[in-house]
Amino acid sequence: QQPVQSPQAVILREGEDAVINCSSSKALYSVHWYRQKHGEAPVFLMILLKGGEQKGHEKISASFNEKKQQSSLYLTASQLSYSGTYFCGTEIGRNAGNMLTFGGGTRLMVKP
Amino acid sequence: EAQVTQNPRYLITVTGKKLTVTCSQNMNHEYMSWYRQDPGLGLRQIYYSMNVEVTDKGDVPEGYKVSRKEKRNFPLILESPSPNQTSLYFCATGGGLLTYEQYFGPGTRLTVT
Repeated sequence: QQPVQSPQAVILREGEDAVINCSSSKALYSVHWYRQKHGEAPVFLMILLKGGEQKGHEKISASFNEKKQQSSLYLTASQLSYSGTYFCGTEIGRNAGNMLTFGGGTRLMVKP
Repeated sequence: EAQVTQNPRYLITVTGKKLTVTCSQNMNHEYMSWYRQDPGLGLRQIYYSMNVEVTDKGDVPEGYKVSRKEKRNFPLILESPSPNQTSLYFCATGGGLLTYEQYFGPGTRLTVT
């Protein structure tokens, strides 16, 4: 079953912040975040393993709440280059053989 | 340069005509995978391979076949394509037990009429 992402779309002005959420009904081993620009392949942002860790990548960070099976991606002081579609991918366990199930995506548009 | 290549990049074909989409990587990764991307549905995994001669089904394997005879290659085979297989296909590599990041190929846009 696919994880659910929210919101489905968001429009920001340059410099504004945004939060993208990813929620699963299954117990998760890890959550992966990718960004895809229009007409391009998805590009890796970060992975979070169960344990509630938080990671950062420039001005983009994420958290993973394993009790709620939720992850959130935080984009602060957004830049034009942040525009694209963000996908979370969930992995239910190492023994699941590295099978990733992606959400439907969140389309982010940053305007000047 | 680390690369994942896919061929062809664009393909228009007719129902029932067998086709193969090739995927090749030069990063010596053990893990390779195929996804299809459809509007609103995100990326859905078709098949994946943990190593040579080891393949397994993803979420949407029906109508597809794969093989992994060499580490660098992971072709996707549609033996009898149907219009509902019209989609954007991505090959990805990496993401194994030792490395987590997946590198995606440029994509193959397939139209089945």
